[in-house]
Amino acid sequence: QKEVEQNSGPLSVPEGAIASLNCTYSDRGSQSFFWYRQYSGKSPELIMFIYSNGDKEDGRFTAQLNKASQYVSLLIRDSQPSDSATYLCAVNVWNTDKLIFGTGTRLQVFP
Amino acid sequence: ETGVTQTPRHLVMGMTNKKSLKCEQHLGHNAMYWYKQSAKKPLELMFVYNFKEQTENNSVPSRFSPECPNSSHLFLHLHTLQPEDSALYLCASSQDHGTGREGNQPQHFGDGTRLSIL
Repeated sequence: QKEVEQNSGPLSVPEGAIASLNCTYSDRGSQSFFWYRQYSGKSPELIMFIYSNGDKEDGRFTAQLNKASQYVSLLIRDSQPSDSATYLCAVNVWNTDKLIFGTGTRLQVFP
Repeated sequence: ETGVTQTPRHLVMGMTNKKSLKCEQHLGHNAMYWYKQSAKKPLELMFVYNFKEQTENNSVPSRFSPECPNSSHLFLHLHTLQPEDSALYLCASSQDHGTGREGNQPQHFGDGTRLSIL
């Protein structure tokens, strides 16, 4: 059974701080890694995706991938109250269209 | 037009009813997906269609019947559902079949249909 693990949280950080969200996965063949943000009562919204080991930056967001450790993370710099949401990690099953999602980490950014 | 549109947004139905959920994507994608999201559970893939052909049925009960008449439209036909089928049903689309590429193209989600079974 392929799995994606995330700490459910809540992760509470003050406004302006860096939020660090982590995800581990079990399928060594996974090639594609996605981070989605989901506000309460809304659908998931794509934040970042990463395919290669290392860091990928987009604005205040940085995705970090370490395939050897089967670990992917999302850093949010200068966190804002509007970043308060559940962050879903998704990983593909090798050589398929299937994505396996984690249960998500709830982030709370307080003023 | 928003990228992926789902209708209806909310649906309440009895266990003996038949209804359909509709999804339409305006992104020019050729892969479409149905997901189920229940409280406290991860998003659960139900079906995958690539170029109108079903490529994945994730052990979904036959009371859920998908239909994909073309690359832009996807339906989920519902009949004799159970109370445990109450959930948020999400449709997604992506650009391409992921196999053989550097990586899978991102999936973009619609707003979902909140389904309640009485």
